[in-house]
This record gives sequence, C-alpha cells and structure tokens, in this order.
Amino acid sequence: EAGVAQSPRYKIIEKRQSVAFWCNPISGHATLYWYQQILGQGPKLLIQFQNNGVVDDSQLPKDRFSAERLKGVDSTLKIQPAKLEDSAVYLCASSLFQLTGELFFGEGSRLTVL
Amino acid sequence: GQSLEQPSEVTAVEGAIVQINCTYQTSGFYGLSWYQQHDGGAPTFLSYNALDGLEETGRFSSFLSRSDSYGYLLLQELQMKDSASYFCAVPSRPARQLTFGSGTQLTVLP
Repeated sequence: EAGVAQSPRYKIIEKRQSVAFWCNPISGHATLYWYQQILGQGPKLLIQFQNNGVVDDSQLPKDRFSAERLKGVDSTLKIQPAKLEDSAVYLCASSLFQLTGELFFGEGSRLTVL
Repeated sequence: GQSLEQPSEVTAVEGAIVQINCTYQTSGFYGLSWYQQHDGGAPTFLSYNALDGLEETGRFSSFLSRSDSYGYLLLQELQMKDSASYFCAVPSRPARQLTFGSGTQLTVLP
C-alpha cells in the first residue's frame, strides 16, 4: 500500500514570496490533515478535511494560508506571502478511522523562508 | 482547549527500560495516542489507549489512567534505533483532530 505522498521535500524562498505544497493521501482515506511542525515542537494542526469539505481550520492563518482539496483526494496548501516564522516542516496526514487516533503521515515538506 | 505535558528529554542506555510520561488536559476525552518520529522523518503511530490499563505491542507498551489524566509509553530492551522523538496526542472536539504534545527526545547510549 502506497503511503502519503508529499512534494516538494524541500523549498527555500524569500520572505513575501509564495509557495505551494502538494499532498496525495492513502487511497480510500477520507480525512486529510495539514500540520505545521516547527523545529523542536510537536505538529500543530492547520486544517482538516473530510472528503472535500473543511472540518476544522481554526488554526489556519487565513490572511496568508489557504488550502483546498479538490474531488476529495489530493490537496494543496499555499502560503502567500511567506513570513520568516513560516519556516517549518509541513506535514500532510490521512486517516481511515478517526476513532483509533491513528494518522498516516507523509515525509513532509521542509520550508525555509529567508 | 487541550494541553499536554511531557518531558523534553530522556536518556537511557541500550538494553534498559525507559518510561515517557504524559499528562493532559482536554475537554471531552476520547483516548491517548503515541507517535514516534526520527530526525527528518514522518511521525509514525505507535499506540492508542481509549480505556484504562496497559496495552502491549512488542517492546513498546502504553498505559492510561483517565482518572489521573495521565499516560505513559514504556520502551523495553532499548535499541539504538529507538533514539527518536516521542509525542503523545489527544483527539479533540469536534472532529477528533489530534493535538500533539511538544515531544520527548529519547537518546539511547551504547
């Protein structure tokens, strides 16, 4: 079974530039999550999708971050304009059953904002 | 809101047993999850406890006490490859989205 795919793995941009990350979840997983992980911290949820609807985006900085999940499969997360504090790893995860607390994470996209 | 507390660092030697504690505060408790993350890698699921008691999976065990809002991850027969960060996490309302602790960096020494 293929895992969660993410790209790009690494991205370096200047502040105020834009960047987009892509995620393809495990086939059949209806729930998709984007987490932000700053170095030395635990993952922080940005947005959760159930199929192609948003379940929770309360911690998404909506003035600069946006995310979509078209057709309930893959998803993109965009940051525009980027700030220095956005330097982090952006992790995508998917789950089949939310009752078990088990998420399947991708390898992440490491963003460096200069 | 949710908050989780766990030690930032733990060090142990190969072959030893180590316990990583986690205390939590959450509205509407569903269960406690544990994840392992190696440097530069993806978090991987280890265990989930919804009920009180000890769950054993090979060298790893996880314990939950709902009355104490406390759980721990027990790693036995430590190996060098167990050096990683370990996170506890709780599902939150309304959609059981996981909130993670800040992580415990485990270093296993030869």
